[in-house]
Formats: sequence, structure tokens, C-alpha cells
Amino acid sequence: QITLKESGPTLVKPTQTLTLTCTFSGFSLSTNGVGVGWIRQPPGKALEWLALIYWDDDKRYSPSLKSRLTITKDTSKNQVVLTMTNMNPVDTATYYCAHSPPRKRLFDYWGQGTLVTVSS
Amino acid sequence: SYVLTQPPSVSVAPGQTARITCGGNKIGSKSVHWYQQKPGQAPVVVVYDDSDRPSGIPERFSGSNSGNTATLTISRVEAGDEADYCCQVWDTGSDHWVFGGGTKLTVL
Repeated sequence: QITLKESGPTLVKPTQTLTLTCTFSGFSLSTNGVGVGWIRQPPGKALEWLALIYWDDDKRYSPSLKSRLTITKDTSKNQVVLTMTNMNPVDTATYYCAHSPPRKRLFDYWGQGTLVTVSS
Repeated sequence: SYVLTQPPSVSVAPGQTARITCGGNKIGSKSVHWYQQKPGQAPVVVVYDDSDRPSGIPERFSGSNSGNTATLTISRVEAGDEADYCCQVWDTGSDHWVFGGGTKLTVL
């Protein structure tokens, strides 16, 4: 079955760069049409899509955060990495990675999420 | 950028029908997906492509989409349906994913 799990720091200081890793199993990111995305959710607030990488290394970014985000994949390790620069307290949120199936632009499997707090 | 608008909250008594709307410009031309999220848990798809249900989701959950409004309908609401519900579309023009602001369903 498909599983995803996020890992990374739980606390970062303002202006630092956040690096999160999504390690997955049950699918291959070299399969035609598959994607892995990142979504975040500030405490008590709505989901916000951040970025997605496709099987062919095509990448998409939220327009409001594009200048701060980089998404990469390591197919051999079954991992997707998201970096976000210049972290700010407003970036405090639970960060999820999720699987996007071929030909459907939705997220059908999600990781458990990881809470990242930005504070000095 | 494309915007999805949901009511912040909907309340319904057990056994009644809950309807949660998701508004967007010509949303009827897009595929809408609905997620259920309970406290401390990751979202779960309850309806995809406007009206399809993943395996394991009760038939009580249904969806429709036309014009500028998509609707998630939950029939015979149970206490266990109390959760946040969020709609999502893929904006074809920008190739971006968009989430609605979420609706908290309260079962009275």
C-alpha cells in the first residue's frame, strides 16, 4: 500500500532555510503521471498547496511562494525534498507530503504531517 | 489566481442532511475533490471528480458541481462525520492546485 512520511526539523529560526524530506513507499516516482506534492496547514487554518513534482521532473510551485521554494526528487531513494528559504513565524504550520495519481489532479494519499515552528 | 470560497461552518442535527458548498468562477468546468479532516489527522478524500467516491467511503457522501458552485452532500449525518471539509481543484490555466478555506461541520 502507499505510505508517505515527512521528516525534518520541528523548530527553525527566522531567516533560516527549512528542508523537509518526504520518504514514500508503495509507488514509484518514475511511473508515468505520478506526482508528489507538499501542502501546509497553519494551526487552525486552511490547507495551502506549496509545490508538486512530477515523475518526469516537471515542477510546479505556488505563485505566492515560488521565490522561496525548491522541490527535488531522488527516485532511487523514494524521496522528495522541499526547501523553503527565509523562514518567518507565519510559516509555522503542519507540512504534509501527498501522492498525486496519474491523470487526476488530487492528493489521494497523505503523510501524517510534521509540525514546523518558526521561532527565535 | 483561482479562488475557492467555502462557508466557515455548517451545523446539522444527527440524521439530517448536510450540504457544504464550494464557490468558484465557472467551477462547473473543473473537477472538484473533497477532503475530510478530523483533528490531528491528515485529510482524506471523500469525493473526487465532482461525484465519485473512493472505496471505503459511505454512500452517504455525494457531490455535485455546476455553474459557479460545487456541493458536498452528507446524508443521514452521524456524529462521526463531524470534521473539517475542504474542496480542491486544479486550475488548468496556471497548472496549480487550489484549496478552499475549509468548512467545519458540527453535528448538533
